[in-house]
Amino acid sequence: SAVISQKPSRDICQRGTSLTIQCQVDSQVTMMFWYRQQPGQSLTLIATANQGSEATYESGFVIDKFPISRPNLTFSTLTVSNMSPEDSSIYLCSVRIADSYEQYFGPGTRLTVT
Amino acid sequence: RKEVEQDPGPFNVPEGATVAFNCTYSNSASQSFFWYRQDCRKEPKLLMSVYSSGNEDGRFTAQLNRASQYISLLIRDSKLSDSATYLCAVNAGGGNKLTFGTGTQLKVEL
Repeated sequence: SAVISQKPSRDICQRGTSLTIQCQVDSQVTMMFWYRQQPGQSLTLIATANQGSEATYESGFVIDKFPISRPNLTFSTLTVSNMSPEDSSIYLCSVRIADSYEQYFGPGTRLTVT
Repeated sequence: RKEVEQDPGPFNVPEGATVAFNCTYSNSASQSFFWYRQDCRKEPKLLMSVYSSGNEDGRFTAQLNRASQYISLLIRDSKLSDSATYLCAVNAGGGNKLTFGTGTQLKVEL
């Protein structure tokens, strides 16, 4: 597995502002992903963070709202832009290591938008 | 039909009981299957991978039924500490990403 950290762990933000979440892994990983988990719901994949190229977004998620960077094999950021209360959620990064399909999750960022 | 479906529960069982969960998937091309455990306000943690031949880890046994397109998780001798939500995950269609079920809540009681 891998040790994954996320910053911030939680935040309370005002509507209309943006928040950037960082995900750091202690070793190089092949793939990194960003998920959202709304209260009482399961995980929804936002996008796959690609190293050196644009992220691959899932249906319903767009780059203007959720810009993602992945400058190297151990780090990625997700920005939640122009936030509204509907963006209140837990945001989790996950990583895939080598050839396995297993994914390991960071501790998550709990976002509340007021 | 959802790609991955689970009974949300809750399953309330006494300590020491055996409990089983199923998870159905719709895409027959799916190749990799997993069970995750998620405690309240925590991230999902990988519990076990599900192989074609099945997988056993202590009190936990996972099985794959390709013909009927479901995976199962059996927990024997339930402990209070097994109380959590159990999520199944499938790489639907054999792609890079995982699709998660909504989770099954287990409550083990004295």
